[in-house]
Amino acid sequence: DIQLTQSPSSLSASVGDRVTITCRASQSITDYLNWYQQKPGKAPKLLIYGASSLDSGVPRRFSGSGSGTDFTLTISGLQPDDFATYYCQQSYSTTWTFGHGTKVEIK
Amino acid sequence: EVQLVESGGGRVQPGGSLRLSCEASGFTVSSHWMHWVRQAPGKGLVWVSGINSDGRTTNYADSVKGRFTISRDNAKNTVYLQMNHLRGEDTAVYYCARGGLGPVWGQGTLVAVSS
Repeated sequence: DIQLTQSPSSLSASVGDRVTITCRASQSITDYLNWYQQKPGKAPKLLIYGASSLDSGVPRRFSGSGSGTDFTLTISGLQPDDFATYYCQQSYSTTWTFGHGTKVEIK
Repeated sequence: EVQLVESGGGRVQPGGSLRLSCEASGFTVSSHWMHWVRQAPGKGLVWVSGINSDGRTTNYADSVKGRFTISRDNAKNTVYLQMNHLRGEDTAVYYCARGGLGPVWGQGTLVAVSS
């Protein structure tokens, strides 16, 4: 199975900060990498698909980059609504795998 | 509007069975891989099972292999997860998701396994 290593597991940041979360795959997944935001009691919300494509309605402060094995989610100008847990997910294989998540907390 | 709605969750005793349903609207399930993903309380997302567009290929996580069965009824535009021999560690919110570029997820259904 393809393993995804996501870091950091948590971070504290202030409103307006630039935040970067990384996801590393155990083998090349080309650009089959998705990013989700999840808030307590809610389903995951797709932010980025295909490594860098913004899903419909997602604010432009979210961006994704990378290909092969190394990927990054960047939030440019953290907003109060962005405090949540973020997951990466590979869809290169039909057996999906997820990163362990990054909890973004208020500093 | 593309939408997935899960149902069938509930409380069940260890060793019991449940069948989850995932009804799609706004697209046809017969054109996509469909997946089930679960999330135990306070834990991360874990892929459970997937089925291809014609239903001939199915995949399972090792933790559910031999106990869970994924299937689809294209006429009802619905995907199912039959869960047998349930264990406490199967307690989770179960999400249905559409594969492909830009996955679509349902809102989830809670399965609680306890005596």
